[in-house]
Amino acid sequence: DAGVIQSPRHEVTEMGQEVTLRCKPISGHDYLFWYRQTMMRGLELLIYFNNNVPIDDSGMPEDRFSAKMPNASFSTLKIQPSEPRDSAVYFCASSLDRGYTEAFFGQGTRLTVV
Amino acid sequence: DAKTTQPNSMESNEEEPVHLPCNHSTISGTDYIHWYRQLPSQGPEYVIHGLTSNVNNRMASLAIAEDRKSSTLILHRATLRDAAVYYCILRIDTGGFKTIFGAGTRLFVKA
Repeated sequence: DAGVIQSPRHEVTEMGQEVTLRCKPISGHDYLFWYRQTMMRGLELLIYFNNNVPIDDSGMPEDRFSAKMPNASFSTLKIQPSEPRDSAVYFCASSLDRGYTEAFFGQGTRLTVV
Repeated sequence: DAKTTQPNSMESNEEEPVHLPCNHSTISGTDYIHWYRQLPSQGPEYVIHGLTSNVNNRMASLAIAEDRKSSTLILHRATLRDAAVYYCILRIDTGGFKTIFGAGTRLFVKA
């Protein structure tokens, strides 16, 4: 397996535009996590899914953020409209349905909103 | 949510052992202790995990206190490639295995 794949690796957009980040988890994994990393706030858990169903979205900062997982092999994180304070590195991770198993992270998407 | 506390940074000499501490005094009985590290410009990567007993793998060892309120990640011989941010996290069984990261410890390794 190629691991967790995120696209794009870098995104630069103007304030007010819609941004869509994509993630392909490892095949067979039950859980998918979206994180945001900034210097000020570190790694924040935004939302996670179990078997394509959102379980906890309490970390989603506001209504401008939305995430979907239409099937087991694809998830999106959308920001509409984007703002400069959304600039961060966004990571996707996946894991099996066990507390003792590891989460595998993608390389991240560096988002810059100007 | 159970939280972890780690020193902001630590420094080590190359080829020497490193002991990275973590406090998790509010840990619950079913919470697993995981350690991850993040190299520059990369996503976090798994290092080791444990529940109650000490654990060893090819990367590191994990020593867990008897009361489980603290743990220590041990790198037996630090190399320059081990310079990274190390995160101690609790894999929380809330019916969803929520995985929350703290601030981590930035490890500096001197040649």
